[in-house]
Amino acid sequence: GENVEQHPSTLSVQEGDSAVIKCTYSDSASNYFPWYKQELGKRPQLIIDIRSNVGEKKDQRIAVTLNKTAKHFSLHITETQPEDSAVYFCAATRFGELTFGSGTQLTVLP
Amino acid sequence: GAGVSQSPSNKVTEKGKDVELRCDPISGHTALYWYRQRLGQGLEFLIYFQGNSAPDKSGLPSDRFSAERTGESVSTLTIQRTQQEDSAVYLCASSLGRVGYEQYFGPGTRLTVT
Repeated sequence: GENVEQHPSTLSVQEGDSAVIKCTYSDSASNYFPWYKQELGKRPQLIIDIRSNVGEKKDQRIAVTLNKTAKHFSLHITETQPEDSAVYFCAATRFGELTFGSGTQLTVLP
Repeated sequence: GAGVSQSPSNKVTEKGKDVELRCDPISGHTALYWYRQRLGQGLEFLIYFQGNSAPDKSGLPSDRFSAERTGESVSTLTIQRTQQEDSAVYLCASSLGRVGYEQYFGPGTRLTVT
């Protein structure tokens, strides 16, 4: 089955700086890679996703890149704000059921 | 419109008891997923429904876990003879289709087995 590894587990950045979270996956047939943000005690919410036929996708301050050859994908958040503080999960899937990474606790320091 | 809802929001049960968790997906969403999230960890896939059939039960951790879905609507996850290691938040998600569609998560049911 699929295995997703996520790094780092914790990340602290100064407000206004950029944050990068990296994930690797094991199943070369995986074709959909969403990123979820989960605030404490709340449900995960999709922030951006990418399909295997695309190398990069951007939505305002958030971007995701995918390297199929190396089987890794990354989340980039620019101009971080305190409200970006949360746990971020990457995930991968071939058939629909998501395999999640272990999460990154992002803290944006004012 | 209404999102995914789950009930109860919290459940405390004694070891050995059975529990039933409910999920109401977004209307029109044919795909429904159950995940488990232990404290401070990522989400683990449990089971997937397409309509009322469950083609993928590969994530169910033991035969004490079962789930059913009525048509393309409500789903229930049942855990029999609960154990302390079953303590977790159980999250349900629904989507318009299987692959490449956003999964919308419910608020979860926090299960505590004492």
